[in-house]
Amino acid sequence: RKEVEQDPGPFNVPEGATVAFNCTYSNSASQSFFWYRQDCRKEPKLLMSVYSSGNEDGRFTAQLNRASQYISLLIRDSKLSDSATYLCVHGGAQKLVFGQGTRLTINP
Amino acid sequence: GAVVSQHPSRVICKSGTSVKIECRSLDFQATTMFWYRQFPKQSLMLMATSNEGSKATYEQGVEKDKFLINHASLTLSTLTVTSAHPEDSSFYICSARVPSHNEQFFGPGTRLTVL
Repeated sequence: RKEVEQDPGPFNVPEGATVAFNCTYSNSASQSFFWYRQDCRKEPKLLMSVYSSGNEDGRFTAQLNRASQYISLLIRDSKLSDSATYLCVHGGAQKLVFGQGTRLTINP
Repeated sequence: GAVVSQHPSRVICKSGTSVKIECRSLDFQATTMFWYRQFPKQSLMLMATSNEGSKATYEQGVEKDKFLINHASLTLSTLTVTSAHPEDSSFYICSARVPSHNEQFFGPGTRLTVL
């Protein structure tokens, strides 16, 4: 079983739609959780950290369910510029473990 | 945020040659840097953790004699792919961890193509 599992997509949604991504992780000892965004042929960039209480940053909302070992990302009012691959990541003291990524395309 | 650079951004080489990739933290000192590899449509896979002044820690399945890592200073780590073969063609990305922070900052990556 992979340490981090994501639906690879691709997701194609119209501009303005709300889209949700899910991710499960297998290591119950994981301490930190993140969503990264990766554009084609570029390095990943941190989108947001994920906290147990859930957190929101503008149009983006992240949730963590430790009991179910499940992380989610919600994007509201999607923009064309949101098109990218979204990587679910968990980390311990040093290492980051990346999911395969979910590819999202926002259509005009 | 902290800035990490990588050089070169792209390299094409013949099979059997060695390729050196540099990773620099530009505005902070990084005691720990990480080297990842990403094949097309796959996730980033950690290859090794590079510690300044000591030997790198390699992940299972990564050949330490093939992927030489040197972390000679607090701002520079190098990865040398020795005797590269076509199957080594990949996107190599380094990251540096800001001391006392949980976040890693990534370099722009190096795309290696071995002919």
